[in-house]
Amino acid sequence: RKEVEQDPGPFNVPEGATVAFNCTYSNSASQSFFWYRQDCRKEPKLLMSVYSSGNEDGRFTAQLNRASQYISLLIRDSKLSDSATYLCVVTEYGSSNTGKLIFGQGTTLQVKP
Amino acid sequence: EADIYQTPRYLVIGTGKKITLECSQTMGHDKMYWYQQDPGMELHLIHYSYGVNSTEKGDLSSESTVSRIRTEHFPLTLESARPSHTSQYLCASSEAGAYGYTFGSGTRLTVV
Repeated sequence: RKEVEQDPGPFNVPEGATVAFNCTYSNSASQSFFWYRQDCRKEPKLLMSVYSSGNEDGRFTAQLNRASQYISLLIRDSKLSDSATYLCVVTEYGSSNTGKLIFGQGTTLQVKP
Repeated sequence: EADIYQTPRYLVIGTGKKITLECSQTMGHDKMYWYQQDPGMELHLIHYSYGVNSTEKGDLSSESTVSRIRTEHFPLTLESARPSHTSQYLCASSEAGAYGYTFGSGTRLTVV
C-alpha cells in the first residue's frame, strides 16, 4: 500500500466549476501536510500548507482530518490556469525538520473553456 | 528567477557511461535533496544532505551517489548508466526542513 494515496484522475471540469481532491495517508504519526502543484514537465511548487484547523488561500481551501488520515483540497471558480497535477505531500513524524517529504502520485485537473 | 539550478535539463546517454547531474543553489540553504520521478508517478527521495560533508540515502534505493563538499553544490553521479535509470531527477533545497522547499527545474535523463 502506498504511503500517500490519491485518485490520479483526470478531473475534467468547466471554467467556473468547484472541484475537490482527496488524499489519504497511511502513517498516523505523519506530522506536516502540504499541497503542491506540478505543471506538465515542470518541477513541483508549493501551493499551500495544510493545518488541522483548515486554511484558505483565495480560491483554494485545504482541510485535514487526522482521525481519518484524510486531506482535501477545494478549488472554487476554476480557471484555465488551474490545469495541472496536484500533489498531496506529508512528512513522517520527526521529519518536518529534516525535510524528507513523501509524495502522492498526484491528481490531474483539466479545466475546459 | 530560479535560485536553484540544475544542469543539464535533458540528457541522452549510452549504457555504461558515467554521468554527473549538477545542482547548485544560491540561497545558502544547508538542507538539499535529490528526488526521482518516473512519468505519471510520485516523487521518491533518493539522497539528502544536512550540510557540508553530510549525505544520506533516501527511502528509494538508488545506484547513484552524491557529494556535498560546498554548501551550494550537491551533484549526483551514476558510475555506469543503465536504461532502468531513465527518469526525471529533481534537486531541491530548503531553509527549514519541510517548510521553505525550492525545487530545481529537473534533469530528464534517458539512457539508451
